[in-house]
This record gives sequence, structure tokens and C-alpha cells, in this order.
Amino acid sequence: GAVVSQHPSWVICKSGTSVKIECRSLDFQATTMFWYRQFPKQSLMLMATSNEGSKATYEQGVEKDKFLINHASLTLSTLTVTSAHPEDSSFYICSARTATINYGYTFGSGTRLTVV
Amino acid sequence: DQQVKQNSPSLSVQEGRISILNCDYTNSMFDYFLWYKKYPAEGPTFLISISSIKDKNEDGRFTVFLNKSAKHLSLHIVPSQPGDSAVYFCAASDVGSQGNLIFGKGTKLSVKP
Repeated sequence: GAVVSQHPSWVICKSGTSVKIECRSLDFQATTMFWYRQFPKQSLMLMATSNEGSKATYEQGVEKDKFLINHASLTLSTLTVTSAHPEDSSFYICSARTATINYGYTFGSGTRLTVV
Repeated sequence: DQQVKQNSPSLSVQEGRISILNCDYTNSMFDYFLWYKKYPAEGPTFLISISSIKDKNEDGRFTVFLNKSAKHLSLHIVPSQPGDSAVYFCAASDVGSQGNLIFGKGTKLSVKP
């Protein structure tokens, strides 16, 4: 089945630094990838939608200059949290649309970001 | 305003019994519903889905029921097993929004041996 590899699985960084999270579709081409954030005991909240070769579409309230998304190829999308602050500490998850099975969504394993 | 609601944050069930997880939605444009299972520090994994043209979909021990008039769906797990202990997310989508998923807050299921 479709697999989305996300890494790192966890990262601790200092306040003010930037962190890059990668999501790769291993055995299929993902024309669309979604980035979610989940705070404790909260729902998965969509941050942005990225289409290969074009700019990402950000949800209301998500700072596009802070959360940089790049989807340069059909198998790789990256989320960079720039100038991270403690309030950015969260669980970030990507998903890719396969358009074939499970209504086309396969999730990565998530990244636990802790900003100290 | 939450479009997908899972009003029970947690549920505890005895092994072998039935687990019923509930989900309500407000957007009548939703035409596809999915259930995901999530273990701690992992991404969600797809469990089962249902189209709005159906009222029931069954896959092994898992059955999803959809009541469109009540804007309510439920996931039944029979018989429940300790390995089913996880957080279950209900999600909904409408084709018009490019199929973006709207998630509920999740229900933590604990199945006790």
C-alpha cells in the first residue's frame, strides 16, 4: 500500500532557530500534500495544502512566512518552521493524496517538535 | 465553529464487548466520512469510510453507520480487543472543498482485558 515517510519523528530545538520536516511518498507520486498540526487533546488542524510545483495554500490564521512549505517534486514536501518559539511546540503530521485508495489520504508518522 | 464533533473524549470497554464511537457533523455538504485510528506519537491510519449514498459499511470487526437526517455517524467495533485501544478520529469531506478533511477532536478508546 501507499506509504508516506516523515522525519524526523521528534526534534528539540532552541527558540529562534529553524526546523525542517520532510515528507516523502515512497511508492507513489503525491500531487497534493497536506500539513496538519495537533496540540494535546485537540483535533488535527489543517495548516496548508501544497501542490507540486506551485505555492502552498494556507489556512486562515497560519503564517505563511513562518511555516514555509516546499513541494518541489512529486515525492517530497517539506515544512520549515522558521524562528521557532515555544508556542510552536506541537505534533506535525503530513498526508499525501494518492487518489486511489482510502479516499486518497495516507498519513506520515508525525513529528513531535519541542522548542525550548 | 466545529463542523465535526466527537463529544466523548474517552470511552472504556471490556474486552469482547462492543465499542461504539460517535460523531456528529453540521455541514450538510459533507459527502464522505472516514474513521482514523491513532496511536501515541504516530500518524493516523485509515480504518474505514462511508459515502453519503450509503448508510452502512462493514469491514471485519468494524462497521460504520451513517444517519444523514441526524447528521450522525458511529463506529462499531465488535468484539473489542485490547489492541483496539487508541484514539479514534472521525473525519468528513466534501468534494467541493477539494476533498480536504475536517477532523473531530478524537475519542480515546480503552479496551480492558
